[in-house]
Amino acid sequence: EPEVTQTPSHQVTQMGQEVILRCVPISNHLYFYWYRQILGQKVEFLVSFYNNEISEKSEIFDDQFSVERPDGSNFTLKIRSTKLEDSAMYFCASTVGGANEKLFFGSGTQLSVL
Amino acid sequence: QKEVEQNSGPLSVPEGAIASLNCTYSDRGSQSFFWYRQYSGKSPELIMSIYSNGDKEDGRFTAQLNKASQYVSLLIRDSQPSDSATYLCAVSNAGNMLTFGGGTRLMVKP
Repeated sequence: EPEVTQTPSHQVTQMGQEVILRCVPISNHLYFYWYRQILGQKVEFLVSFYNNEISEKSEIFDDQFSVERPDGSNFTLKIRSTKLEDSAMYFCASTVGGANEKLFFGSGTQLSVL
Repeated sequence: QKEVEQNSGPLSVPEGAIASLNCTYSDRGSQSFFWYRQYSGKSPELIMSIYSNGDKEDGRFTAQLNKASQYVSLLIRDSQPSDSATYLCAVSNAGNMLTFGGGTRLMVKP
């Protein structure tokens, strides 16, 4: 079965530093997402992306966050100035036709902000 | 604010028994309902989706939806130790996001 791939699997950074999390969605999928899960808590929606623009974002996705699809395969999440509370597992996901279909999740990037 | 609520558990059942997992949601406009399984440290994996009232069966799994009561459930028949995981209920409206519940931890004891 095709997979969503995420790199790196672990990222450690200092507070205030910029991080970029990378994802390669499944090739024929059109909708891309970032979710995050703080240890022991709910999976939380951050942002959805379709047709090269953000289609929906949550309150968590403030000005410190941005997403980009720099080429035909990669989908990135940038956190400009990391905070301690950004420490979480970040999941990239994709679907063919939107959130009413099966979401294919990547294996996640564990971000630790020190 | 859209909420999806689940009992956090743990729900402990003996091997071979039926496990019953429940979920309620607040947004009456919700259209699509999903059950994901998440093993510790792993990403969520879709188990079942259901879109209309009633039951939907897939192997050992049955999803039940009651939109009037804003209630979704998942039954796992003949539970196996490998079913031990956290089960996440997720709900989508006409928008492009899923709202997840906090999950129910299921433990199947041999």
